[in-house]
Amino acid sequence: ELKVEQNPLFLSMQEGKNYTIYCNYSTTSDRLYWYRQDPGKSLESLFVLLSNGAVKQEGRLMASLDTKARLSTLHITAAVHDLSATYFCAVDIGNTPLVFGKGTRLSVIA
Amino acid sequence: DVKVTQSSRYLVKRTGEKVFLECVQDMDHENMFWYRQDPGLGLRLIYFSYDVKMKEKGDIPEGYSVSREKKERFSLILESASTNQTSMYLCASSWDYRPYEQYFGPGTRLTVT
Repeated sequence: ELKVEQNPLFLSMQEGKNYTIYCNYSTTSDRLYWYRQDPGKSLESLFVLLSNGAVKQEGRLMASLDTKARLSTLHITAAVHDLSATYFCAVDIGNTPLVFGKGTRLSVIA
Repeated sequence: DVKVTQSSRYLVKRTGEKVFLECVQDMDHENMFWYRQDPGLGLRLIYFSYDVKMKEKGDIPEGYSVSREKKERFSLILESASTNQTSMYLCASSWDYRPYEQYFGPGTRLTVT
C-alpha cells in the first residue's frame, strides 16, 4: 500500500524567511503533484512533476522530484503572507486515484 | 480551462434525510472522484468511477452510494444522513491517461443537524 508522508504538518514562518516542505512516498513513482488549498476553499493545482529531477518554479515556490529517493520538496523563498495556505502533495502510481499526503498547513507571520 | 462544478457550496440537512451532491465536469474526463475532508484527517476517498455506470469503493464508502449515468456527471448520495457525515465534500476528475492530474471542484460544505 502506498504511503505518502508530508512534513512538517504545521509550519509557522516569518515573512522573508525560507523553508522547505517534504513529501516522502513508499512506492516507485515518477509522477507527483502539488496542490494548494486556501481556508474554506478547494484544492488548486500548483505543480505537476513528471520525471526524476523535474523542477518547477512559480514565484516564491519551487518544487522538485527525486524518484530514487522517493522524495519531493516544495521550497519557499522569502515567504510572504499570501502564501499562507495548506499544501498537499499527491503521488501518481497509474490509473488509480492519486494518494494524497495529509497536507502542510503554512502560516506566514509578520 | 478544466471546470468542475458542484451543485451547492453550502448545504444544511436533517438527520435521516436523503442527500444528493452533484458534480459536473466539462473536460470529457473519464475518471471522477468523491472525497471528504475533515480537520486533521486530510482527504479521504469515498468512491470513484472510471466510466459511465462504473463505480469503485474508496477508503470510506460506508453510508454513501454514487451514480454515474452520464460521463460528465457524478453524484454522491447519502442514503440517510447522519451527523457524522457533516464535512466538506470535494469532487475531482481526471483523464484516464497520464498524467492523472486531478482537477477539483469548489467543494460542498454539508452540515447535518
